[in-house]
Amino acid sequence: GENVEQHPSTLSVQEGDSAVIKCTYSDSASNYFPWYKQELGKRPQLIIDIRSNVGEKKDQRIAVTLNKTAKHFSLHITETQPEDSAVYFCAASRRGQLTFGSGTQLTVLP
Amino acid sequence: IAGITQAPTSQILAAGRRMTLRCTQDMRHNAMYWYRQDLGLGLRLIHYSNTAGTTGKGEVPDGYSVSRANTDDFPLTLASAVPSQTSVYFCASSDSFRDRGHNEQFFGPGTRLTVL
Repeated sequence: GENVEQHPSTLSVQEGDSAVIKCTYSDSASNYFPWYKQELGKRPQLIIDIRSNVGEKKDQRIAVTLNKTAKHFSLHITETQPEDSAVYFCAASRRGQLTFGSGTQLTVLP
Repeated sequence: IAGITQAPTSQILAAGRRMTLRCTQDMRHNAMYWYRQDLGLGLRLIHYSNTAGTTGKGEVPDGYSVSRANTDDFPLTLASAVPSQTSVYFCASSDSFRDRGHNEQFFGPGTRLTVL
């Protein structure tokens, strides 16, 4: 089955700096890669996703890049704000079933 | 109902007892999923259903069963709970038939289950 590895497990940045979270996947047939944000005690919520036929996607301060050859994808958050503090999960999907990474606790320091 | 709901919000259960976690969605999504979330392990798929009347096993199905009698409801049953099933359980749904499965999964608010 699919295996998704996510790094780092914790990340602290100063407000206004950028944050990068990286994931690798094992199944070359995976074709959809969403990123979820989960605030403490809340449900995961989709923040951005990318499909295997696209190399990069951007939505305001967040962007995702995908390298299919190397089987890795990354989340980039620019101009971080305190409200960006949360746990972020990457995932890889084949036929609609998601395999999640273990999560990154992002802390934005004021 | 708006979106996807779960019940109960939390539950403390004695080992060996039977427990059913409920999940209902009103978005007419064809696909539904159950995950468990444990610290440091992310979300792991327990069971899924691509359409009413069908179910499938995920990554960690042992000790759990599901049914999908209709589009809206997807209950998860622990036949005889054990302490290792202490976790937060999330139900999710998606319109997976649209766009070849490249679709957002919407999560419920979760059920915090403690098995003593």
